[in-house]
Amino acid sequence: AQSVTQPDIHITVSEGASLELRCNYSYGATPYLFWYVQSPGQGLQLLLKYFSGDTLVQGIKGFEAEFKRSQSSFNLRKPSVHWSDAAEYFCAVGASSGSARQLTFGSGTQLTVLP
Amino acid sequence: DVKVTQSSRYLVKRTGEKVFLECVQDMDHENMFWYRQDPGLGLRLIYFSYDVKMKEKGDIPEGYSVSREKKERFSLILESASTSQTSMYLCASRGGSNQPQHFGDGTRLSIL
Repeated sequence: AQSVTQPDIHITVSEGASLELRCNYSYGATPYLFWYVQSPGQGLQLLLKYFSGDTLVQGIKGFEAEFKRSQSSFNLRKPSVHWSDAAEYFCAVGASSGSARQLTFGSGTQLTVLP
Repeated sequence: DVKVTQSSRYLVKRTGEKVFLECVQDMDHENMFWYRQDPGLGLRLIYFSYDVKMKEKGDIPEGYSVSREKKERFSLILESASTSQTSMYLCASRGGSNQPQHFGDGTRLSIL
């Protein structure tokens, strides 16, 4: 069975600082990996996805993530955080084959941005 | 852009009531999902459907059922609502197996 760990429940950064949100996954084969963002009272918006190929993935809003198979990680990064980035971030792992129920979500990381 | 619409943003119901949460998507997606979201627990899959009239249990199906009579609509049913089902409910849809899930804005359900 697949699983996702987001070790940081809450992260606080200053506006303009760099950001890295950690995600570790467990899955027996090559996974599909996703990062979603959720603003208060909203649904989840896809930031980026990894299926195969280049291990550095670019997403929307200036975010990127790097797939490291040896570390079973898919960390999300942004070089300079904006106040509007304050939200909750979810990492998800999906099976590369099998049934439709593919995504397993981490418990989320809440990001606070200080002015 | 994919549009997933949940019929209510906020809903308040009483214990024992039968509750219907509706979800509609406009992209002809085969796969649709219902999750509940609780603080510290992330998203947990309740049920999903991979075709009309087809459904499979997720991780926490107890106390819930679903209906998919048309491809675009996936309904979540709380047969007899309990206070433990107070939560945020999120619907999602997805096309092919290598496509991401697209989410609605959620329904915040309170059971009194």
